[in-house]
Amino acid sequence: DTGVSQDPRHKITKRGQNVTFRCDPISEHNRLYWYRQTLGQGPEFLTYFQNEAQLEKSRLLSDRFSAERPKGSFSTLEIQRTEQGDSAMYLCASINNWGSGGEETQYFGPGTRLLVL
Amino acid sequence: AQSVTQLDSHVSVSEGTPVLLRCNYSSSYSPSLFWYVQHPNKGLQLLLKYTSAATLVKGINGFEAEFKKSETSFHLTKPSAHMSDAAEYFCVVSGSWDSKIIFGSGTRLSIRP
Repeated sequence: DTGVSQDPRHKITKRGQNVTFRCDPISEHNRLYWYRQTLGQGPEFLTYFQNEAQLEKSRLLSDRFSAERPKGSFSTLEIQRTEQGDSAMYLCASINNWGSGGEETQYFGPGTRLLVL
Repeated sequence: AQSVTQLDSHVSVSEGTPVLLRCNYSSSYSPSLFWYVQHPNKGLQLLLKYTSAATLVKGINGFEAEFKKSETSFHLTKPSAHMSDAAEYFCVVSGSWDSKIIFGSGTRLSIRP
């Protein structure tokens, strides 16, 4: 257990429905990252937050995706009008970053596995 | 731009024999490099990391990796494989101020009894 939790662990939905995932990072961590992992691939970066500010979004994050971290603690990732191609594992990770430039270990949650029927 | 290439998608070894998982990286500046392991239905766990200190890095569960700048490699090794080592292994590069990390495509390690 890394201290990062995600909810739910599994989600099955029908195409066209909206889904929302939650990530609770390690409490003192100021940065939070979202990744997507499809079968047989490594995780791919989606977006990240420093405190409550969303600093970067990957081009993988279409307009149907939105992420928030309203109080700089937990974060939510919402997918609207889900498509079968959205089926994947969605991973969250957190770090303490104070400008040391990439040396920090990212602590990953267990992921939310999404299946869109 | 940074990238990482894992040269083998699948490696199979016999229990008790050495493990070698290969990784090459590309980075326009001095990188930090990591190896993560993912067991089925479990989260990603850090095995070890290199951050410009000693080039030979020791990690958990007997794994180690050597950073070779001249070869742009960061191969993962273990002297003697155990059945519990069967998992997916990811080589990861980082190094920019945003701490964004790039994953390789993974190597699935199988252990034969």
